[in-house]
Amino acid sequence: AQTVTQSQPEMSVQEAETVTLSCTYDTSESDYYLFWYKQPPSRQMILVIRQEAYKQQNATENRFSVNFQKAAKSFSLKISDSQLGDAAMYFCAFGPSGSARQLTFGSGTQLTVLP
Amino acid sequence: DTAVSQTPKYLVTQMGNDKSIKCEQNLGHDTMYWYKQDSKKFLKIMFSYNNKELIINETVPNRFSPKSPDKAHLNLHINSLELGDSAVYFCASSQDGSSKENEQFFGPGTRLTVL
Repeated sequence: AQTVTQSQPEMSVQEAETVTLSCTYDTSESDYYLFWYKQPPSRQMILVIRQEAYKQQNATENRFSVNFQKAAKSFSLKISDSQLGDAAMYFCAFGPSGSARQLTFGSGTQLTVLP
Repeated sequence: DTAVSQTPKYLVTQMGNDKSIKCEQNLGHDTMYWYKQDSKKFLKIMFSYNNKELIINETVPNRFSPKSPDKAHLNLHINSLELGDSAVYFCASSQDGSSKENEQFFGPGTRLTVL
């Protein structure tokens, strides 16, 4: 079974600054995917970024990037130039490769962006 | 043009009742999921289903049953509702075997309140 740990229940960042959210996971799988999802107050789950474990290159999506350390089983999310609209709950998720594979989520980090 | 839709968005009901939540996706995906988000925002998989298999999380009570009339729909039926069933329920879908395998798209969620 997989576990995903987010050790920061809450984080805050000043608008335009950079913040990093931490995530560690534990698995015996060799092939898998990692995700960061964002859940604003509207409660809609929005995919922010995706990383394939077999890729060494860290994924980036505009202001969002990850630091994927496979040996350390670490997958942190960096948000650059933070905007007020980035305020949300962020969930790290693990998904094994294969069909109908279920995501295992961390407990979430509530991000506040200060004006 | 909503990708994954759920109805209703809010459901308030009495203990002991039977209720259903409907989910439809128009993405052409072949796998659908149900997740439960509790009051502490923790997200946990309940079911995943495609035309080959139904995977049930062993912790889900058998009062919960998924029903799939076709590939685009996966409804959640709940019998004999209990107070502890109060939560937000999310439907999601993904396409197995694609370049975006395991990338799950979520519906807007259904907030279930059992009185």
